[in-house]
Amino acid sequence: EAQVTQNPRYLITVTGKKLTVTCSQNMNHEYMSWYRQDPGLGLRQIYYSMNVEVTDKGDVPEGYKVSRKEKRNFPLILESPSPNQTSLYFCASNEGGTTEQYFGPGTRLTVT
Amino acid sequence: GENVEQHPSTLSVQEGDSAVIKCTYSDSASNYFPWYKQELGKRPQLIIDIRSNVGEKKDQRIAVTLNKTAKHFSLHITETQPEDSAVYFCAAKYGGGADGLTFGKGTHLIIQP
Repeated sequence: EAQVTQNPRYLITVTGKKLTVTCSQNMNHEYMSWYRQDPGLGLRQIYYSMNVEVTDKGDVPEGYKVSRKEKRNFPLILESPSPNQTSLYFCASNEGGTTEQYFGPGTRLTVT
Repeated sequence: GENVEQHPSTLSVQEGDSAVIKCTYSDSASNYFPWYKQELGKRPQLIIDIRSNVGEKKDQRIAVTLNKTAKHFSLHITETQPEDSAVYFCAAKYGGGADGLTFGKGTHLIIQP
């Protein structure tokens, strides 16, 4: 089954404790993205990647890092999480251009 | 960068009536305009999209129209049903770019029985 998976689905952590949210897709897509969703703000892009070892900042990259060492995986790293990073995070992948973006199930992160 | 405005933020309609959600975009280079539906607690899912070489596209009860001159596109849902209740997001992007979608802030559609 074609899918995008994320782990963990729920995470409660404390300020400053490094964490990683994993994302994996099995559709051999070139492009992958991370979004955060906040009430009243819609979905905002954090980082995107157009291929292995090629990443770039989206609209709200501050406080986040990503890596793309393999085509299927695109982890999101919070080196020192802060309460303003409490949000719902979605990973997405697509073939590129104007093709459909497939979203993962989401990760709800709470930073206290 | 691209900026997408979406209205209204909440829309309540009687079951069986039509619903219209409107979006405007700022970047004239944008040429791809998808609409996503997000049910409570679930991921966004594509319901329809339109490219700039087309003015209108229809899929059963759902249609999207695009006015490139005005930088305006709209989602039309006819004969609304309870399962249409969800949050709808419009988005825009330039197809030749590697970055992702720029989303509107969403419309919460409520179908009243």
